Amino acid sequence: GQNIDQPTEMTATEGAIVQINCTYQTSGFNGLFWYQQHAGEAPTFLSYNVLDGLEEKGRFSSFLSRSKGYSYLLLKELQMKDSASYLCAARGGADGLTFGKGTHLIIQP
Amino acid sequence: GAVVSQHPSRVICKSGTSVKIECRSLDFQATTMFWYRQFPKQSLMLMATSNEGSKATYEQGVEKDKFLINHASLTLSTLTVTSAHPEDSSFYICSARSHPRDYSNQPQHFGDGTRLSIL
Repeated sequence: GQNIDQPTEMTATEGAIVQINCTYQTSGFNGLFWYQQHAGEAPTFLSYNVLDGLEEKGRFSSFLSRSKGYSYLLLKELQMKDSASYLCAARGGADGLTFGKGTHLIIQP
Repeated sequence: GAVVSQHPSRVICKSGTSVKIECRSLDFQATTMFWYRQFPKQSLMLMATSNEGSKATYEQGVEKDKFLINHASLTLSTLTVTSAHPEDSSFYICSARSHPRDYSNQPQHFGDGTRLSIL
């Protein structure tokens, strides 16, 4: 089966850094995705990891450890517009993604 | 970049009505499309995987006779919610991926979603 765990809610300050953790258990593993979702909208792709290590893309970085079933999304220089839900999703043996419940990130001035 | 168009964006209809949602890949051929459902404050749940020219694969607990999926071309998949009831009210989102065996750095491209409200 598939199981994705991530914190329900986090709060951070504008200009700061925040790390959102995700642990996963999948039958088969073909990649870990992070998506951003604003309320009432479809998810927007942020990052993809299939090998261990850190992938950096501008203000966003994502890390994967396959042996630990662990990933994190790092957001730097936080802006108010970064307030959203961040979804961790794993692709297992089949093609479809299994999503976590999402981490609601609140950015405070 | 790759674009997926989903239509309609919002539907409000009476109980017992059948509703069709379209998902189109605009600038690439999508051999595989996925349909997800998201209830308020909950995660996206995969409903079914649609492969062009073959029958869809449904996730456990999803009624295939109620949620009819047709993927007749490489750019279009449709989801029809038959005899919809209030409990079917949800946010339905499609996504598309072009290569079924390409596990490289290729995300699924999501449509904008359809908010379905059954009265």
